[in-house]
Amino acid sequence: GENVEQHPSTLSVQEGDSAVIKCTYSDSASNYFPWYKQELGKGPQLIIDIRSNVGEKKDQRIAVTLNKTAKHFSLHITETQPEDSAVYFCAAGDSGGYQKVTFGTGTKLQVIP
Amino acid sequence: KAGVTQTPRYLIKTRGQQVTLSCSPISGHRSVSWYQQTPGQGLQFLFEYFSETQRNKGNFPGRFSGRQFSNSRSEMNVSTLELGDSALYLCASSSQGETYEQYFGPGTRLTVT
Repeated sequence: GENVEQHPSTLSVQEGDSAVIKCTYSDSASNYFPWYKQELGKGPQLIIDIRSNVGEKKDQRIAVTLNKTAKHFSLHITETQPEDSAVYFCAAGDSGGYQKVTFGTGTKLQVIP
Repeated sequence: KAGVTQTPRYLIKTRGQQVTLSCSPISGHRSVSWYQQTPGQGLQFLFEYFSETQRNKGNFPGRFSGRQFSNSRSEMNVSTLELGDSALYLCASSSQGETYEQYFGPGTRLTVT
C-alpha cells in the first residue's frame, strides 16, 4: 500500500518568513496530493491540492510543487501570519477507481509574531 | 453548500459499551470515509462507503463497523469499547472522478473510561 512520509514534524518560523513542508510517497500510481490544515478542536481543512498532470499550483500565499519522478511534493507558505499556526497534513492517493488517500504524520507549524 | 456534519461532537463511554457515530456528507457526495485520529498514530483510515457499499477498509478489528444509507448518510459503530478507542473520529465526504476532493467534518471526540 501507499506510504507517505512528512518532514519536519515541527516547524517554527518568524512572522513574515516562509515555511516549507516536504512529503514523499511510495506508490507510483498515486496521482492526487492534497494538503490539509487542522486547527485545534477542528477537523482537517483542505487548503490546496495538486494532481499528477501539474507540477506546481499556487493559491495566494500557498503553493504546492510535485516531482513525480522523485515521488515527492512540498507545501510552501509565504509571508506567514500567526493564523497560519496549525498542524498541516499531506496526503497521497489515487483519484480514479476506488479513491483512498494515505496521510502523512503531520507538521505542527508555529508562526512567532 | 453545507459542509460535512457529524453527531454527536463529544461522547463519553465506559469500557465494554458500544457507540454509534453519525455523519452527513456534503450534498451530492456519495462517498464517505471514516478516520481515527490519535496523537500517537495520526490519521488512520477506517473504511470508505460509496453508494451503500463498503469499498475500502483499513486495518482495524471487526469491532469497528459502518454502514451507509441511500441518502449517503453514514454511521460507524464500535462495539465492546476499549480504552485505546479514545480518539477523534473524523468523517470525510468526497466527490468522484477527475474532480475528486475530500472534505472533513469537525469530528466526534470519543472518550472511553
